[in-house]
Amino acid sequence: QVQLVQSGAEVKKPGASVKVSCKASGYTFSSYYMHWVRQAPGQGLEWMGIINPSGGRTNYTQKFQGRVIMTRDTSTNTVYMEMRSLRSEDTAVYYCARGYSSSLSWFDPWGQGTLVTVSS
Amino acid sequence: DIVMTQSPDSLAVSLGERATINCKSSQSLLYSSNNKNYLAWYQQKPGQPPKLLIYWASTRESGVPARFSGSGSGTDFTLTISSLQAEDVAVYYCHQFYTTPITFGQGTKLEIK
Repeated sequence: QVQLVQSGAEVKKPGASVKVSCKASGYTFSSYYMHWVRQAPGQGLEWMGIINPSGGRTNYTQKFQGRVIMTRDTSTNTVYMEMRSLRSEDTAVYYCARGYSSSLSWFDPWGQGTLVTVSS
Repeated sequence: DIVMTQSPDSLAVSLGERATINCKSSQSLLYSSNNKNYLAWYQQKPGQPPKLLIYWASTRESGVPARFSGSGSGTDFTLTISSLQAEDVAVYYCHQFYTTPITFGQGTKLEIK
């Protein structure tokens, strides 16, 4: 079955970087876009950006441009989200979520989430 | 950016009764070229990722119980649970995928009365 498995929880100090992974299985990796969404504690869902695993092209929401890099490794069917210059307000659960063959689609399934805590 | 506004923010419904959640977008989500509304609904239970319920505004995802239905077009959409079950307690989100940046409603918390 289609499955997205993310890396484990991280604790980082302000100013540091974090890299979260999302390993896909059960489908043709390069045929489906992958999105990243975050959720601060007790808050709603915030879309961060999208990567096309086929060519690696990305599109980030303006808020994260210059601070987030999304990459992929087709040899391991894994996408990565790296965020730099972390601040306390980046404390959140980060999800990867599969789109479809179009960059504009619903998300299904979602990874289990990775809690990133930023604290001094 | 397209702003998605859900109402109400929270809702308490008796078991077996109907629950209705509304979602309004700041611009139309209807693509004239294919006559489809680029809107989805998700259910999120505590400690879990969101789960897809509905896409294209009214198409139920495989495996989702028939008591869940979506309706609406353009800028006004509704998620209806026809007969509330205990396992439906969750936060529900609408999601527009008409254009980037993709945006979500703020969520509606559904509880048992």
